[in-house]
Amino acid sequence: DQQVKQNSPSLSVQEGRISILNCDYTNSMFDYFLWYKKYPAEGPTFLISISSIKDKNEDGRFTVFLNKSAKHLSLHIVPSQPGDSAVYFCAASDLGSGNTGKLIFGQGTTLQVKP
Amino acid sequence: NAGVTQTPKFQVLKTGQSMTLQCAQDMNHEYMSWYRQDPGMGLRLIHYSVGAGITDQGEVPNGYNVSRSTTEDFPLRLLSAAPSQTSVYFCASSRDRVSYEQYFGPGTRLTVT
Repeated sequence: DQQVKQNSPSLSVQEGRISILNCDYTNSMFDYFLWYKKYPAEGPTFLISISSIKDKNEDGRFTVFLNKSAKHLSLHIVPSQPGDSAVYFCAASDLGSGNTGKLIFGQGTTLQVKP
Repeated sequence: NAGVTQTPKFQVLKTGQSMTLQCAQDMNHEYMSWYRQDPGMGLRLIHYSVGAGITDQGEVPNGYNVSRSTTEDFPLRLLSAAPSQTSVYFCASSRDRVSYEQYFGPGTRLTVT
């Protein structure tokens, strides 16, 4: 059973426009969420995170929104740049589960930003 | 700092062979973990460690063993390789168990024939 789902395998946007990547989760105990970015032949790198006590977190061009009632989070990239072309994974964790640090990842969304 | 290093980068095994994937980090991180990435499945946790001498199972531990004798090293052992273990394997570390900003290694691409 996939507890974290990214239902869009791919997304293509024009340079300068907004990219919106979506993620849904089923476990209501999840209270910390992260986005990772992955280029081919490299390991994932941390991008941005959000705690369940917030509904928005910004870092430069990247903003993550959390809707706890809908069990949905989204990553907005504005403006999108060709260098943002990568696979984006969302991940979730339950901070209350003994703080083991276990992350559950979604399947990933491949973003292509066209010049 | 080299960060998280993994060896080898590529490996081909025959069914039934055993091998060890190496992982090391030089950031003095307590928490280390192994993931596998398969198409359409995202990253799935195999085993993790919250400190030297302490390991536990993740989502997909069967067929794999780990040990953590030092803070720096966290090797992953395949006991008897099977084609279902063909995957890309990533090792990750983080400062402590509440720091979920994990640093990933570059990965090992394993093919089992």
